[in-house]
Amino acid sequence: LAKTTQPISMDSYEGQEVNITCSHNNIATNDYITWYQQFPSQGPRFIIQGYKTKVTNEVASLFIPADRKSSTLSLPRVSLSDTAVYYCLVGDRSNYGQNFVFGPGTRLSVLP
Amino acid sequence: KAGVTQTPRYLIKTRGQQVTLSCSPISGHRSVSWYQQTPGQGLQFLFEYFSETQRNKGNFPGRFSGRQFSNSRSEMNVSTLELGDSALYLCASSLGQGGWFFGPGTRLTVL
Repeated sequence: LAKTTQPISMDSYEGQEVNITCSHNNIATNDYITWYQQFPSQGPRFIIQGYKTKVTNEVASLFIPADRKSSTLSLPRVSLSDTAVYYCLVGDRSNYGQNFVFGPGTRLSVLP
Repeated sequence: KAGVTQTPRYLIKTRGQQVTLSCSPISGHRSVSWYQQTPGQGLQFLFEYFSETQRNKGNFPGRFSGRQFSNSRSEMNVSTLELGDSALYLCASSLGQGGWFFGPGTRLTVL
């Protein structure tokens, strides 16, 4: 069962770049990494997904090193509205079949 | 395109009762998965359905069950409710591997 670790919380200021790292030492060959953002009382919102190297979309970048044992979500120029909990999700297989394992989440606080 | 919808949004039940939660996926999405979110355990995977078949299952007791209909809509049932079942239940849909799009959740309170 893949286990992921993330920092519990991070603080940043508006306009700064924020990097959140997720460790997933037991990632399997076919697993992929997905990051989500969640606001209170809402469902998680898809941010970005990747398998290896670097992926970029209009809101974030995802860096995955060659060994794929970690991944880093990069949020450029954060604003107050980026204050949320960020989760990394790694595909995993268990005895019951594919079991998506969420990380514990990183609570990002963006300060003015 | 409408997002994932879940009904009801809030629900209060008592111990021993059963409950059914409903999820309508994004149009065209054939995969639906369910999650339980609690402050103590975080987000935990319950099960996944594809084309009316349960394809994956998390580590939850048999009191938790689900099904998917031919129109991809899904229901989740919890029987013999326990206090510990109080949680936010999230449904998500997907076109394929990864890229799950979540609904707003159903907040279940068991008294």
